[in-house]
Amino acid sequence: DAGVTQSPTHLIKTRGQQVTLRCSPKSGHDTVSWYQQALGQGPQFIFQYYEEEERQRGNFPDRFSGHQFPNYSSELNVNALLLGDSALYLCASTNWGGAGNEQFFGPGTRLTVL
Amino acid sequence: AQSVTQLDSQVPVFEEAPVELRCNYSSSVSVYLFWYVQYPNQGLQLLLKYLSGSTLVESINGFEAEFNKSQTSFHLRKPSVHISDTAEYFCAVRAPELIFGTGTRLQVFP
Repeated sequence: DAGVTQSPTHLIKTRGQQVTLRCSPKSGHDTVSWYQQALGQGPQFIFQYYEEEERQRGNFPDRFSGHQFPNYSSELNVNALLLGDSALYLCASTNWGGAGNEQFFGPGTRLTVL
Repeated sequence: AQSVTQLDSQVPVFEEAPVELRCNYSSSVSVYLFWYVQYPNQGLQLLLKYLSGSTLVESINGFEAEFNKSQTSFHLRKPSVHISDTAEYFCAVRAPELIFGTGTRLQVFP
């Protein structure tokens, strides 16, 4: 079982550019969530996808968008990058329903915006 | 709105000493509480969780946490720490998304 995988591992972009991050959930999971973890902070919830639809969204601007594919993998897109978007982006997968279901996290993508 | 407060940003401790990492939550409804651990350059791993039932929950590597409703706390404890326990620890509440605290850096010294 490969667990949750994310690509790329690291990414460097400049202000104003756009970026796409990718996530493959753990085998058997159908729900993917994205979190942003700034340096020295706890992860902040961005949004969650289930059945290819955004089900919940945190307090992030529309520059952050996502997509889920039929195979349950997901992408996070960020447009018009700002310096403040520099962070570790974590993907987590679980099964829909059941508030106690464990979320499994990937290793993250480290995004640096210059 | 639900929230989590981790009272200590850093906790230095010597190997084999006991440790407590403090977590307080704010919620007006039933809570599901979690502790996650993050080793350097890695994602988060679930350490333990409280959903219902016994207020004392344990992990496989010797950590335990006690849900205290009257004090709205979910402190993490270990009676004897090891060098390998050095990591960042996050307390979280299910809202239903996970809301994390700011983390506690546990540094274990030989």
